[in-house]
Amino acid sequence: QQPVQSPQAVILREGEDAVINCSSSKALYSVHWYRQKHGEAPVFLMILLKGGEQKGHEKISASFNEKKQQSSLYLTASQLSYSGTYFCGTGAPMNAGNMLTFGGGTRLMVKP
Amino acid sequence: ETGVTQTPRHLVMGMTNKKSLKCEQHLGHNAMYWYKQSAKKPLELMFVYNFKEQTENNSVPSRFSPECPNSSHLFLHLHTLQPEDSALYLCASSLKGQFNYGYTFGSGTRLTVV
Repeated sequence: QQPVQSPQAVILREGEDAVINCSSSKALYSVHWYRQKHGEAPVFLMILLKGGEQKGHEKISASFNEKKQQSSLYLTASQLSYSGTYFCGTGAPMNAGNMLTFGGGTRLMVKP
Repeated sequence: ETGVTQTPRHLVMGMTNKKSLKCEQHLGHNAMYWYKQSAKKPLELMFVYNFKEQTENNSVPSRFSPECPNSSHLFLHLHTLQPEDSALYLCASSLKGQFNYGYTFGSGTRLTVV
């Protein structure tokens, strides 16, 4: 069953912050985050493994709450280049080849 | 370029045609995937190959036929498709068993079935 992302879309002004959530009805082992710009390939941002860790990538960070079966992506001081669709992908340890199930995506638009 | 190359980038085919999509990676990855991306729908996993062996077929209709001759190449053979098969088909690769390793996606093939 696919994870649920919220919100579905968000519009920001440059410099504003945003949070994107990814919730699963199943126990999570790993959560991947990707960003896809229009007409381009999804690009890997970061991965979190169970343990509730937080990771950072420039001004983009993420957390993983194992008990809530949820991951959140934090975008701080947003830049125009952050615009795109963000996807979370969830994985279970026994899946062959680290198979991921993706959420429906969150469309982010950053305006000047 | 992401390191995963998909050809063609665009394809228009009739419902009676036979065509193939190609995916190639030289990243040293040993797992390859086909995903379907339709408008307003999540990425749908179609097939998984690990070390050239198909390990997952996510209830995909038989009009889609994958082929993985080696760890670097992946094909998706198409025949007698339906208009609802029109979508962006994405190939991805990764390292099997490396749970802290992300996918590298290709730019996709935009397929239109007429």
